[in-house]
Amino acid sequence: AQSVTQPDIHITVSEGASLELRCNYSYGATPYLFWYVQSPGQGLQLLLKYFSGDTLVQGIKGFEAEFKRSQSSFNLRKPSVHWSDAAEYFCAVALMEYGNKLVFGAGTILRVKS
Amino acid sequence: NAGVTQTPKFQVLKTGQSMTLQCAQDMNHEYMSWYRQDPGMGLRLIHYSVGAGITDQGEVPNGYNVSRSTTEDFPLRLLSAAPSQTSVYFCASTSGGNTGELFFGEGSRLTVL
Repeated sequence: AQSVTQPDIHITVSEGASLELRCNYSYGATPYLFWYVQSPGQGLQLLLKYFSGDTLVQGIKGFEAEFKRSQSSFNLRKPSVHWSDAAEYFCAVALMEYGNKLVFGAGTILRVKS
Repeated sequence: NAGVTQTPKFQVLKTGQSMTLQCAQDMNHEYMSWYRQDPGMGLRLIHYSVGAGITDQGEVPNGYNVSRSTTEDFPLRLLSAAPSQTSVYFCASTSGGNTGELFFGEGSRLTVL
């Protein structure tokens, strides 16, 4: 079955440090992949997406993600974390054979230490 | 710009009661969907619609009904609420199927006692 795994439930980093959030997917076809961010009490906002082409995609707020087909991964990175990046981050894959509906991972909560 | 609007933001129900969560979007999006968010489980798709008059089930449709009489509105009905339906519900929409950006409402927190 199609699935998305985010191995880390919580991650804590110091402000100014680099960040990598892991995402692995299980999907037979070429995936459409997304990263969303959710601030407390808010809906989800799209950070970036991958459909095809360059495997390193740039998003908003200084985030980037790299698609690695051989590892079935789509990890999110940021070179220098800001306190305002504290939020929950969700990886998702679009299932084209089901009306392109999104399947989400369980999420990773990012805490930023000052 | 309003985007995706959900009402109510908070609701408490007793077991067996019924209610409707409202969702409206003003972006002329064809695709609309309802998700529920539970701790440690991410977002799970309840129902979705690819256009007015067309709806389909997602991963967790039991206990919920939807209809899509207009492009703008996509209400979610709980016919007989159960404690297992305590959750935060999100409505989302996008244009051109689901390969584009999903726009989310701010969520509706439902508690069933």
